[in-house]
Amino acid sequence: EAGVAQSPRYKIIEKRQSVAFWCNPISGHATLYWYQQILGQGPKLLIQFQNNGVVDDSQLPKDRFSAERLKGVDSTLKIQPAKLEDSAVYLCASSQPPGQGAYEQYFGPGTRLTVT
Amino acid sequence: DQQVKQNSPSLSVQEGRISILNCDYTNSMFDYFLWYKKYPAEGPTFLISISSIKDKNEDGRFTVFLNKSAKHLSLHIVPSQPGDSAVYFCAASGTSGTYKYIFGTGTRLKVLA
Repeated sequence: EAGVAQSPRYKIIEKRQSVAFWCNPISGHATLYWYQQILGQGPKLLIQFQNNGVVDDSQLPKDRFSAERLKGVDSTLKIQPAKLEDSAVYLCASSQPPGQGAYEQYFGPGTRLTVT
Repeated sequence: DQQVKQNSPSLSVQEGRISILNCDYTNSMFDYFLWYKKYPAEGPTFLISISSIKDKNEDGRFTVFLNKSAKHLSLHIVPSQPGDSAVYFCAASGTSGTYKYIFGTGTRLKVLA
């Protein structure tokens, strides 16, 4: 079974530039998550999708971050314009839908973003 | 407001000995807990989980203990192996609603050969 795919793996941009990350979840996983992990901290949920719909984006800085999930499969996370404090690893994860008894999330390798 | 805390940023253990990693939580609505292991330049990998209806779950060398009254869980690794050297995160969620996971800050385990 293929895992969660993410690209790019690394990205360096200057502040005020824009950047986009892509995620392809495990086939059949209806729930998709984007996390931000700053060095020395645990992953922090940015947005959670159930199929095409957003179920939680309470910690997404909506003035600069946006995310979409096309056709309930792939997802993109965009930052525009980037700030220095956005430097972090952006992790995508997927899981079975809630209520199906399996709560484990499966993570991709992440995208390390450096904003200079 | 840090709802899930891992107070030990690092831990060193001799190969073959027991590793004990601790996690505390504050939200009594959490009823499902997971441990993840993370190697450098990789995403976290699911290790073991426990529901609040249990106080222990075992999978090979890994055992998770849950003390609901103390809002505390621990991961025991016996025997510890050099390949276990990684950062370990605990995460907590409620199993109703959106299943939002809250992660701790991680504990870096180093198993010495």
